[in-house]
Amino acid sequence: NAGVTQTPKFRVLKTGQSMTLLCAQDMNHEYMYWYRQDPGMGLRLIHYSVGEGTTAKGEVPDGYNVSRLKKQNFLLGLESAAPSQTSVYFCATDRVWAPSTGELFFGEGSRLTVL
Amino acid sequence: KQEVTQIPAALSVPEGENLVLNCSFTDSAIYNLQWFRQDPGKGLTSLLLIQSSQREQTSGRLNASLDKSSGRSTLYIAASQPGDSATYLCAGSYGGATNKLIFGTGTLLAVQP
Repeated sequence: NAGVTQTPKFRVLKTGQSMTLLCAQDMNHEYMYWYRQDPGMGLRLIHYSVGEGTTAKGEVPDGYNVSRLKKQNFLLGLESAAPSQTSVYFCATDRVWAPSTGELFFGEGSRLTVL
Repeated sequence: KQEVTQIPAALSVPEGENLVLNCSFTDSAIYNLQWFRQDPGKGLTSLLLIQSSQREQTSGRLNASLDKSSGRSTLYIAASQPGDSATYLCAGSYGGATNKLIFGTGTLLAVQP
């Protein structure tokens, strides 16, 4: 049981390049999230999805796009990377107990550096 | 504004000591509060989840409490061990359409052998 798997784990980009981070889960959870973690700022929500085919903006969505074509996968895209997007990105899934978030399960993170 | 604060930012204790980590939140309309552990270079691991109707949860040497009226949660670690060294984060869930989860910035714990 892999849980939440993120690929790639590390990536270095040049300014203006594009890339996609993949999050795959095998727990059949409906809710999935993308967070970024920066020193001194905690985790901030980028985008989230409450089910297959749905996405919504979080706290810091600018410069990112997402897609949830399959329930088990949540993709985070950077169309034109900027140095300000250098961060560690975490995917999480949620065993939801309505009406709130339930217990979150995180991937191991993807460290992105934009030069 | 909904905020979650963790003080202190860092804590060093000798092995065997009992310790308390603090988490405070500004909005008492919280649905649940979750404590996580993060090891260097790793993701977050859920430790305890306290629903708003509960006052505490226990798992092994860990005990977490929730006091909505005072806007505080504490994580108690008994008989600390060097393996407990990590960053501990709390996060408050405010539910609603966005399922908003607000994270604290964490307390870095070092347990000295």
